[in-house]
Amino acid sequence: EPEVTQTPSHQVTQMGQEVILRCVPISNHLYFYWYRQILGQKVEFLVSFYNNEISEKSEIFDDQFSVERPDGSNFTLKIRSTKLEDSAMYFCASSALRGGSTGELFFGEGSRLTVL
Amino acid sequence: GDSVTQMEGPVTLSEEAFLTINCTYTATGYPSLFWYVQYPGEGLQLLLKATKADDKGSNKGFEATYRKETTSFHLEKGSVQVSDSAVYFCALRGTGANNLFFGTGTRLTVIP
Repeated sequence: EPEVTQTPSHQVTQMGQEVILRCVPISNHLYFYWYRQILGQKVEFLVSFYNNEISEKSEIFDDQFSVERPDGSNFTLKIRSTKLEDSAMYFCASSALRGGSTGELFFGEGSRLTVL
Repeated sequence: GDSVTQMEGPVTLSEEAFLTINCTYTATGYPSLFWYVQYPGEGLQLLLKATKADDKGSNKGFEATYRKETTSFHLEKGSVQVSDSAVYFCALRGTGANNLFFGTGTRLTVIP
């Protein structure tokens, strides 16, 4: 069964360092998303991406964040200068239709980021 | 704004016990409601959904009914199994929206 894969599963970094989280969405999907969950808090929407551009973003997704699809298969989230409060589980998701019109977003296992 | 409030966990049950995980929502218009599940070492998977009031979503013995009058979408299962141990997330997608609003997740552990 097709699945969304994310790497790394866990990354530890020093404050101020740049981090890139990688995702391989399901191959025929057109919409891509990043969500995050700070420990003990809600899963929060960060950004959605379609047709090689951001289609929607939350207020969390400020200038230190960026996304791109560099090679037609990977979908990356870059955090330019990490802060302690960026420590969270980051989930990538993809869907075939906008918003998953059936509601079904397919999620990866998550990448846990720890900022020291 | 749209939001979801989910029962705090963790929940520990014996096998064959009855499960309820409460979820209430705040939204304008007519949101769609979802339950996602995350098994250990896996991504979030759609468990069930309901797109309009009084709809009942069901899958793998789990059920949830979209109650507009109480703005709730509680997850239930009559007899849980050890294999149901996971984290359960209630989620909402607002009318015309693209993204999902999630709750905090409820960790369920079922012991033999």
